[in-house]
Amino acid sequence: GAVVSQHPSWVICKSGTSVKIECRSLDFQATTMFWYRQFPKQSLMLMATSNEGSKATYEQGVEKDKFLINHASLTLSTLTVTSAHPEDSSFYICGGAQAFPPRDTEAFFGQGTRLTVV
Amino acid sequence: AQKITQTQPGMFVQEKEAVTLDCTYDTSDPSYGLFWYKQPSSGEMIFLIYQGSYDQQNATEGRYSLNFQKARKSANLVISASQLGDSAMYFCAMRDLGEDSSYKLIFGSGTRLLVRP
Repeated sequence: GAVVSQHPSWVICKSGTSVKIECRSLDFQATTMFWYRQFPKQSLMLMATSNEGSKATYEQGVEKDKFLINHASLTLSTLTVTSAHPEDSSFYICGGAQAFPPRDTEAFFGQGTRLTVV
Repeated sequence: AQKITQTQPGMFVQEKEAVTLDCTYDTSDPSYGLFWYKQPSSGEMIFLIYQGSYDQQNATEGRYSLNFQKARKSANLVISASQLGDSAMYFCAMRDLGEDSSYKLIFGSGTRLLVRP
């Protein structure tokens, strides 16, 4: 399958600082990128969907100013958690997909980033 | 409203036997896709199988097959000849157009599968 690389795999930061997470599609063009948050033993909660070159579409309840998403190219999307607080500690995972046929049957995910805010 | 439902929080299966993981979905979009992913304890999401809403045949990928019943809106995953390495969380997901006409990929709550030796 296709490869999506997410970096860093884990990060510890101080409360009030910002953290950037990168998501790269290595061998395909991700026209759409998804960002999820996953709490322990729970499902993946969609935070936002971004299409290359346009603004991200955020899910209800997700603060746009806190979770900044940029999808500047077909191979790179970033999530920046601004002014992080301990309640932002979680597992964040990105996914990439070609949203249009013939490769709309595929959606691949990065390894995830475990964020701990202290 | 929840769009993807996995009613089995946990399942046991004996090694070498087959197991079915249930998934039902709800969408008004005539064009949609259904995915199954495996998430081991390490956290990565491993793509297993895909079924498109217009596909006439049930999808198969090695030991994985998808029992797609469109009228019942169900897309159950069947794992044949279970192996110890199959122990993991399994998520069903659906791709459709959201209310804002953007492409979304929504996940169910997951089923934890434990394969017994």
